[in-house]
This record gives sequence, structure tokens and C-alpha cells, in this order.
Amino acid sequence: EAGVAQSPRYKIIEKRQSVAFWCNPISGHATLYWYQQILGQGPKLLIQFQNNGVVDDSQLPKDRFSAERLKGVDSTLKIQPAKLEDSAVYLCASSTLGRRGQFFGPGTRLTVL
Amino acid sequence: GQQVMQIPQYQHVQEGEDFTTYCNSSTTLSNIQWYKQRPGGHPVFLIQLVKSGEVKKQKRLTFQFGEAKKNSSLHITATQTTDVGTYFCAGESGYSTLTFGKGTMLLVSP
Repeated sequence: EAGVAQSPRYKIIEKRQSVAFWCNPISGHATLYWYQQILGQGPKLLIQFQNNGVVDDSQLPKDRFSAERLKGVDSTLKIQPAKLEDSAVYLCASSTLGRRGQFFGPGTRLTVL
Repeated sequence: GQQVMQIPQYQHVQEGEDFTTYCNSSTTLSNIQWYKQRPGGHPVFLIQLVKSGEVKKQKRLTFQFGEAKKNSSLHITATQTTDVGTYFCAGESGYSTLTFGKGTMLLVSP
């Protein structure tokens, strides 16, 4: 089966600019996650979707970050405006009920200058 | 909120030596998962432990879940250069979604 797809793979922007990331989960996976991974740390959950509903967005900085999964399949994560501390890898993962573990995409490496 | 601590942060071994990483949670977990992330790569799911005292093996890897369901360990016997990477534990409880530790970076010299 095809894995989790993400684009772009790399993005360089200046602070205060906006950026969007796209994720297409494994076919049939109802649950989709967005993580932020800063160098040297573990992934930090930003938001979790079950189909097109939000399960957990408690760690999403809602003043600048937004995410949607309108049709319950692919998802976008947006940052507006970006700050220097947003430089990180943004990982998308998906999972399905009854199947253990999350399956991660290759990530988008964001550099904010 | 829930915290997951891992030690050591880093370990450098000679090929053939054993390696162990330990994971501790501030709360009782419903399950614990282990992931491996190669340099420049993304986390890859290894295993999930659910039962108190559970022990599972995958070839040279042995995973344990503590009796109190608050700690776990991963032991690699006779490391190989292909074992290089960062190993993350991630815990889930009834009150929180999956929380990752900071990981243990393993370097294996031939």
C-alpha cells in the first residue's frame, strides 16, 4: 500500500510570511495527525483528526496555526504569520482503528529566516 | 499534562555490544509504543505494548512494559550498524493522546 504523502518536502520562508503543508494519509485511515518535531526532540502533537472532526488540538497555537480536513481524507496545515521558532519538521501521520501504531510521512522541513 | 521521559539521551556502542533505553511516564499508560527514526528519516512504528508486565521480542529487540504500566524498556542484543538511529517511546493514556519522549540516539561503530 502507498504510504503517507506530504508536500512540499522543504520550505524556506521569512518570518511573518505564511506557509501551508499538505498531507494525504494511507487510504482507509480515518485518523490523521500533525506533529511538529524540533531538532533533538520527539514529535509533538499539534492536532488529531478522526475523519473530518478534531479530536485533540490542545497544543496547536491557534493564533497562528490552523488545520483542516474537510472531506475526511487529505489535510492542510497552515502557519500565518510564521515566527523563527516555527523552524522544525512537520510530520503527518495516519492510523486506523484496530491497527496498532501510527504511520508517518516523510515530513516537511520548514526554515524560517 | 502527561510527560514521558527517556534515558539515556545518547549512547555510542561498538558493534556487537548490547544497548538498552528506558522510558518512564508520569501517569499510568493504557499502552506504550516504540518508534525508530533513522537520521534524516521519519519515525517508523516498531511495536505496541498493552498488558502489564508484557514482554515482546522482534529478532534482536526485546520490549518490556512495566507491571505498573508506567515504564518500559527496549533492549537490543548484539547491535549492528543498521541499528543506528533514534528510538522513541510514546505513551497513551485514557486522558491523553500519544505523547512522545525525547528519544535515545544510538550510534554504532563497526
